[in-house]
Amino acid sequence: EVQLVESGGGLVQPGGSLRLSCAASGFSFSNTWMTWVRQAPGKGLEWVAAISPDGSHKAYVDSVKGRFTISRDNAKESVVLEMSGLRVEDTAMYYCDTTVYWGQGTLVTVSS
Amino acid sequence: EIVLTQSPGTLYLSPGERATLSCRATQSIRNNNLVWYQQKPGQAPRLLIYGASTRATDIPDRFSGSVSGTDFTLTINTVEPEDFAVYYCHQHGSFPCTFGQGTDLQIK
Repeated sequence: EVQLVESGGGLVQPGGSLRLSCAASGFSFSNTWMTWVRQAPGKGLEWVAAISPDGSHKAYVDSVKGRFTISRDNAKESVVLEMSGLRVEDTAMYYCDTTVYWGQGTLVTVSS
Repeated sequence: EIVLTQSPGTLYLSPGERATLSCRATQSIRNNNLVWYQQKPGQAPRLLIYGASTRATDIPDRFSGSVSGTDFTLTINTVEPEDFAVYYCHQHGSFPCTFGQGTDLQIK
């Protein structure tokens, strides 16, 4: 059974940092592009970042470039999104996905 | 950046009717790498269609996808009560990947 389990969300002040993790199992993780997608409350889906199977290629939406970093550990079958310089507009549910499979998300709230 | 425009924004139908949802791209999508998702409140998106026209595993055959150039369509042949949800198209053919703004399928 495929599982993607996100963790690390929470309440953080503007300008703060958070580290989101996604633990994967049940599929060939080391051969799969991994992605983070977010959804602000009551809004649509927004692609955030992606990383290639070997970690050599990374891509980001413009609004997070220079603030967010995606990485992966194929031995641990996990992907991480390091977020810094957080803004109120980064408040959202953050999902880890493979395009086919999705986790249940972790909520990030940026507020003073 | 490829912009995806979905229409209509909201679609009101009765169970048993046919639903036609549109997703128009501002440029061609490499390898037709476009998917359709269904999302219900409080849930993660669920993959319905990939490669523009291939049904995902365990998706009922009342769901179908088609493409003509940069125009993509999701059709639900006979809408069932459990189909009322928000539908998103998503292109992953080039970076940045993008989503349409969604079509909300509501009960008339």
